[in-house]
Amino acid sequence: EDKVVQSPLSLVVHEGDTVTLNCSYEVTNFRSLLWYKQEKKAPTFLFMLTSSGIEKKSGRLSSILDKKELFSILNIIATQTGDSAVYLCAVGFYDAGNMLTFGGGTRLMVKP
Amino acid sequence: SQTIHQWPATLVQPVGSPLSLECTVEGTSNPNLYWYRQAAGRGLQLLFYSVGIGQISSEVPQNLSASRPQDRQFILSSKKLLLSDSGFYLCAWSVLGGPVSTEAFFGQGTRLTVV
Repeated sequence: EDKVVQSPLSLVVHEGDTVTLNCSYEVTNFRSLLWYKQEKKAPTFLFMLTSSGIEKKSGRLSSILDKKELFSILNIIATQTGDSAVYLCAVGFYDAGNMLTFGGGTRLMVKP
Repeated sequence: SQTIHQWPATLVQPVGSPLSLECTVEGTSNPNLYWYRQAAGRGLQLLFYSVGIGQISSEVPQNLSASRPQDRQFILSSKKLLLSDSGFYLCAWSVLGGPVSTEAFFGQGTRLTVV
């Protein structure tokens, strides 16, 4: 059975802190790993990773994939209160449906 | 640009009543369409996906069904709701599968409470 596991489940930090969110997976037919941010309703896309060791960056957020050890991390530096959200990791597969299997999410709260 | 519409935003239904949630996509053709459910404090569980009109694949056996009567319309239904059907339902679309992996784009969701 395909599994995507995120840790920690929740995290409380103060503005300016740096956080690292983890996502490990055990799946067959791996194609890609995606990160989403969910604040209230619709998850919004952050990154898609397909190759090991290539860091993707967007502002204060960055992510990297290790296909040998089967995990990815999402880093947020200089956190702000607007970073408070649930961060979801998902794995995509080689199949006609382009499906995603999601982890349980990490709830991040950034305090002023 | 592509947009996805999902309604209603919230719904309170009694046990045993029927359900119909609708999702439409604009600005693209022949998308993959998905229904996910998110229980409180949990990740997203894929319920159904569709790669074309009338083509529905079910990932989890349950009290729900899905239909795709038009290319950009996806409907989630139930004949008789159970308490366990409560949750946050999200519709999503992605580009039809090919050599390049693509992300999924989500609607705003429907929060369903079965009472």
